[in-house]
Amino acid sequence: DGGITQSPKYLFRKEGQNVTLSCEQNLNHDAMYWYRQDPGQGLRLIYYSQIVNDFQKGDIAEGYSVSREKKESFPLTVTSAQKNPTAFYLCATSAPADTGELFFGEGSRLTVL
Amino acid sequence: GQNIDQPTEMTATEGAIVQINCTYQTSGFNGLFWYQQHAGEAPTFLSYNVLDGLEEKGRFSSFLSRSKGYSYLLLKELQMKDSASYLCAVVDSNYQLIWGAGTKLIIKP
Repeated sequence: DGGITQSPKYLFRKEGQNVTLSCEQNLNHDAMYWYRQDPGQGLRLIYYSQIVNDFQKGDIAEGYSVSREKKESFPLTVTSAQKNPTAFYLCATSAPADTGELFFGEGSRLTVL
Repeated sequence: GQNIDQPTEMTATEGAIVQINCTYQTSGFNGLFWYQQHAGEAPTFLSYNVLDGLEEKGRFSSFLSRSKGYSYLLLKELQMKDSASYLCAVVDSNYQLIWGAGTKLIIKP
């Protein structure tokens, strides 16, 4: 089935540790995005990539890093520099020359202990 | 700045009709999306409006007035499974999505 797979679904980490969230897609979409969702707030864009080997900072990129070595994969690393990393993280893709509709993965919930 | 306003929470009765409003102030406009998100799950696409008027899709309809910076999502014949958050998002002049905080809809029997 075509879709977006995020893993892990739940993740716990200790303060000071880096953690990497995986996002894989087989929709053949060029654009991929990482959003953060906190209670009572809209989705906030962390990073996005329109093409392989290129990515751009979103509104809240500080403390995060990404790579786009393959079209299918867009992993997000939450570094120890992110002061408040506990959140729900959503990966999304969109098709070019379209309305801009986003297709979302099921999300990864990160809790810092 | 850019801003999207939606009510935080609404309550409705099973079988009834509910209208969720969204007002926006953005730098340019290139379309408006409505997504549904059940708790702990990914948002799923409901509708897209770029021209003024009403778009109907089954029990769900979405309306847009660009001159008023206003949209609403209309849900008819409410079912318990419609309990979810409904997210409004606007595509601005840079083709970036600006998201509202979402409206949590509670359906009571």
